[in-house]
Amino acid sequence: GESVGLHLPTLSVQEGDNSIINCAYSNSASDYFIWYKQESGKGPQFIIDIRSNMDKRQGQRVTVLLNKTVKHLSLQIAATQPGDSAVYFCAENTGGTSYGKLTFGQGTILTVHP
Amino acid sequence: EAQVTQNPRYLITVTGKKLTVTCSQNMNHEYMSWYRQDPGLGLRQIYYSMNVEVTDKGDVPEGYKVSRKEKRNFPLILESPSPNQTSLYFCASSPFSGANVLTFGAGSRLTVL
Repeated sequence: GESVGLHLPTLSVQEGDNSIINCAYSNSASDYFIWYKQESGKGPQFIIDIRSNMDKRQGQRVTVLLNKTVKHLSLQIAATQPGDSAVYFCAENTGGTSYGKLTFGQGTILTVHP
Repeated sequence: EAQVTQNPRYLITVTGKKLTVTCSQNMNHEYMSWYRQDPGLGLRQIYYSMNVEVTDKGDVPEGYKVSRKEKRNFPLILESPSPNQTSLYFCASSPFSGANVLTFGAGSRLTVL
């Protein structure tokens, strides 16, 4: 597959464990955040989003937490499965959902061992 | 099938030879954008389009051109490619008036010799 990054943060977990992927953002004006998953050889895929007026949002097996005080975002994956192995990117948008510029973080490689 | 289609998927070219990477979406999406992905640098936005005939620069627009003459298509043009434009390129679209829930294409691997 395509190589998407060198020297990225990595997280290795056992199947069934919970995973927490962290992301720090620098722009205090950012008001909309998104997590994407990129499997080897594919384009990124939307996972979950959160607006800055929220602290937490839950999806299916995933939860995003936002701490605006320390400009930190996290993605929690419950009962991690081998199919969750991928590179995970956080992205921030400074203009809410109607703004065109989206800035991605460098990504975190998640490896799930059976 | 709802999708974003990019062509070519792989291309090797030489410095200075103009090329176009096409992008087409069949979802009637308003917003489209181009990104490049390089090792260690993540995804960086090149250009985006909020609607037909409306385009704007992203973070790394130098050396690229785009056009949005119709809603479904958003080609990326490299007028005079250089080796530093060797990269993996992704086109994406969104049904909303901005960059949010993006659907990405499969990527185009470009090598400029």
